[in-house]
Amino acid sequence: QQQVKQSPQSLIVQKGGISIINCAYENTAFDYFPWYQQFPGKGPALLIAIRPDVSEKKEGRFTISFNKSAKQFSLHIMDSQPGDSATYFCAAGPGGYQKVTFGIGTKLQVIP
Amino acid sequence: NAGVTQTPKFRILKIGQSMTLQCAQDMNHNYMYWYRQDPGMGLKLIYYSVGAGITDKGEVPNGYNVSRSTTEDFPLRLELAAPSQTSVYFCASSIVAGGYEQYFGPGTRLTVT
Repeated sequence: QQQVKQSPQSLIVQKGGISIINCAYENTAFDYFPWYQQFPGKGPALLIAIRPDVSEKKEGRFTISFNKSAKQFSLHIMDSQPGDSATYFCAAGPGGYQKVTFGIGTKLQVIP
Repeated sequence: NAGVTQTPKFRILKIGQSMTLQCAQDMNHNYMYWYRQDPGMGLKLIYYSVGAGITDKGEVPNGYNVSRSTTEDFPLRLELAAPSQTSVYFCASSIVAGGYEQYFGPGTRLTVT
């Protein structure tokens, strides 16, 4: 059972464009939604995270949009740069001591 | 702080061999995790620990064992290696689970032939 569905699996965006990655979850108990960024040969690192009490969170060029009723959340990368080329994972989990479940990842390539 | 360290970086095993993947963290985190990453499959949780002496299974525990004798160390043991265990293994830690950042190590690339 795939609790967190992520799409697309790969994405090619031109420099300066907007990259959009979507995730959907099934468990209504989930209340923490982080995004991790992974460069080749490295471990994932937290990029940005949101809780369901807000519909949007922005940090620099990265924005999470959250739709609680649709059980969907997405990552928008504005003014995408070649340095943003990486694999992005969404994740979701309940609060407390429970662990998060990761999506399958999206490989983003930003071309000049 | 070194953060989360993993050894070795690469390893090739023959079918049926055993090995231990080492993981250590110096951030005094209670929670530690082992994931495997396969192409198109994302990160799958193998085992996790909520503190020294306490471990529990994740999504894909078969073929693996863990122990947690100290806060700092969380080794992953592979017994009777199989080709299906060819993967990249990541160790991570966090202050608590759920709504807190996980810090990942650099990974161990394991090939079983």
